[in-house]
Amino acid sequence: DAGVIQSPRHEVTEMGQEVTLRCKPISGHDYLFWYRQTMMRGLELLIYFNNNVPIDDSGMPEDRFSAKMPNASFSTLKIQPSEPRDSAVYFCASMPGWTDTQYFGPGTRLTVL
Amino acid sequence: KQEVTQIPAALSVPEGENLVLNCSFTDSAIYNLQWFRQDPGKGLTSLLLIQSSQREQTSGRLNASLDKSSGRSTLYIAASQPGDSATYLCAIIQGTYKYIFGTGTRLKVLA
Repeated sequence: DAGVIQSPRHEVTEMGQEVTLRCKPISGHDYLFWYRQTMMRGLELLIYFNNNVPIDDSGMPEDRFSAKMPNASFSTLKIQPSEPRDSAVYFCASMPGWTDTQYFGPGTRLTVL
Repeated sequence: KQEVTQIPAALSVPEGENLVLNCSFTDSAIYNLQWFRQDPGKGLTSLLLIQSSQREQTSGRLNASLDKSSGRSTLYIAASQPGDSATYLCAIIQGTYKYIFGTGTRLKVLA
């Protein structure tokens, strides 16, 4: 298996633009997590899904952030409109239902100018 | 509110040395505790998972301990190698998959 795949790996955009981050989890994994990592706040859980259903979105910072999982093999995290303070590395992770071990993707480095 | 702190923030040691990384948390009502490794520009790799009923877990040269009553966990790395250089993160798991990560320890092992 190729592991968790995230795209793009790097994104540079201007303030006010819409940004869409993509994640393909490991096949067969029931859970999918979105995290954000910054120097100031460290690694924070934004939202997670179980069997494509959002379970806990209490970490989503604002209404500008939204996440979807239309099927078991794809998820998106959208920021609209983006702001400079959204600049961070965004990680996606997936986890099978029979273990507590999460498998992380390589991350998307987002820079909002 | 659960707060997770890791000390030291950075550590540089010569190859072969045994070392201990510390993780402290403020709320002992945890489900599990997990240690991760993060290499520059990459995601996290799970190292060890300790369930709340356990005191320690071992994998190769790594040993992690958990003391819920004192709000502490330690990661012991034996005979460190340059390949161990990375950032090490501990995470408290509260409730169902609610991960709260520590601030991390940047480790550099000198050849």
